[in-house]
Amino acid sequence: EVQLLESGGGLVQPGGSLRLSCVVSEFTFSSHAMNWVRQAPGKGLEWVSTLSASGAGTYYADSVRGRFTISRDNSKNTLYLQMSSLTVEDTAVYYCAKDRALVVPATPDYWGQGTLVTVSS
Amino acid sequence: QSALTQPRSVSGSPGQSVTISCTGTSRDVGGYIYVSWLQQHPGKAPKLLIYEVTRRPSGVPDRFSGSKSGNTASLTISGLQAEDEADYYCSSHAGTSMVFGGGTKLTVL
Repeated sequence: EVQLLESGGGLVQPGGSLRLSCVVSEFTFSSHAMNWVRQAPGKGLEWVSTLSASGAGTYYADSVRGRFTISRDNSKNTLYLQMSSLTVEDTAVYYCAKDRALVVPATPDYWGQGTLVTVSS
Repeated sequence: QSALTQPRSVSGSPGQSVTISCTGTSRDVGGYIYVSWLQQHPGKAPKLLIYEVTRRPSGVPDRFSGSKSGNTASLTISGLQAEDEADYYCSSHAGTSMVFGGGTKLTVL
């Protein structure tokens, strides 16, 4: 069974940084693009970023470009999201989602349970 | 990266059918086959119901079906069951991004 497990969420002050991790299992990690999607409390889903299978292609939402960096370690089956210059608008549950595609954000088919990031002073 | 447009809420009685629409543009829904539908129960992670407009992952009942016409995609749920009460989101590939709909709350009366 495909599994994705996020970690690294928590409480951070505005302007601070945080790194999220997502460890996956039961699928060939290096053959799939991977996504980060967030959901603010009581709100809908918002795409954040996608990384191609090889790691060469990165894609970001306008709201996070220049502040967030997505990366992966295919040897550790792990996806990362480095977040900096955080604002209260970044408060959300952050989901890691496997994509059916190899390169671009297309179809998020398996999702982790999410990790909560709270930005507050 | 504008959100796709979905109705805020829909409702139906057990056994009935409901359809949820998802309207985008030619740069997302209308331009690609990579339109998906996800179901999310409260406090849970989203679950993929439909991908590539009409395809169902294994394990998803055939009560769930998808379609698309122009810039609007639709999810139809037939034979409504109590456990179908949830939030439903559409998503679409949009070139170098992905975009989601605002979500539709389905109430089973």
